Amino acid sequence: AQTVTQSQPEMSVQEAETVTLSCTYDTSESDYYLFWYKQPPSRQMILVIRQEAYKQQNATENRFSVNFQKAAKSFSLKISDSQLGDAAMYFCAYRAPEKLVFGKGTKLTVNP
Amino acid sequence: DTGVSQDPRHKITKRGQNVTFRCDPISEHNRLYWYRQTLGQGPEFLTYFQNEAQLEKSRLLSDRFSAERPKGSFSTLEIQRTEQGDSAMYLCASSPTGRFSGNTIYFGEGSWLTVV
Repeated sequence: AQTVTQSQPEMSVQEAETVTLSCTYDTSESDYYLFWYKQPPSRQMILVIRQEAYKQQNATENRFSVNFQKAAKSFSLKISDSQLGDAAMYFCAYRAPEKLVFGKGTKLTVNP
Repeated sequence: DTGVSQDPRHKITKRGQNVTFRCDPISEHNRLYWYRQTLGQGPEFLTYFQNEAQLEKSRLLSDRFSAERPKGSFSTLEIQRTEQGDSAMYLCASSPTGRFSGNTIYFGEGSWLTVV
């Protein structure tokens, strides 16, 4: 069974600085998708970034980028120039092929 | 496109009562998912539909839970004889099919259930 592990229950960062959230996963599949979702308190879960496993190039979306290491089954999220609005729960998720399997999440606090 | 819509957003019920949640997916999304999320945990998969067909159910979906998507549009999730352990947020999500979609799943705001 596929599993997703987020080893950092909580992280904090100073505003304008950079933070990296870790994620590892376990799968025997070769073609799959990985996602980072953001869930602000009492608000909707929204997609931050996604990565196709067959692409070697790391995905980037503005201040958000990933470090995808397929052989190591690692998928970390880097947030640059952190903003107060980045404070939220961040969930790493794996999809192959029909449903998402989530990690337990990392709570990110952004300090002014 | 108004996104995935869920109703009600909050429900408090007494143990033993039945509750029903409704989900309206993004129009033209033929896949619809139900997840459950408890405090401090990531969402856990319950079931999903492709059009009106329920294609997979998790072992978490006990006999007291039933989900339907009668016309391939909106879906309902009913919990019968609620228990305190059912207290959670129930998330609905939808996605299109086909490789062009990028396989992104879009979530609603969730329906909070409190069983007292």
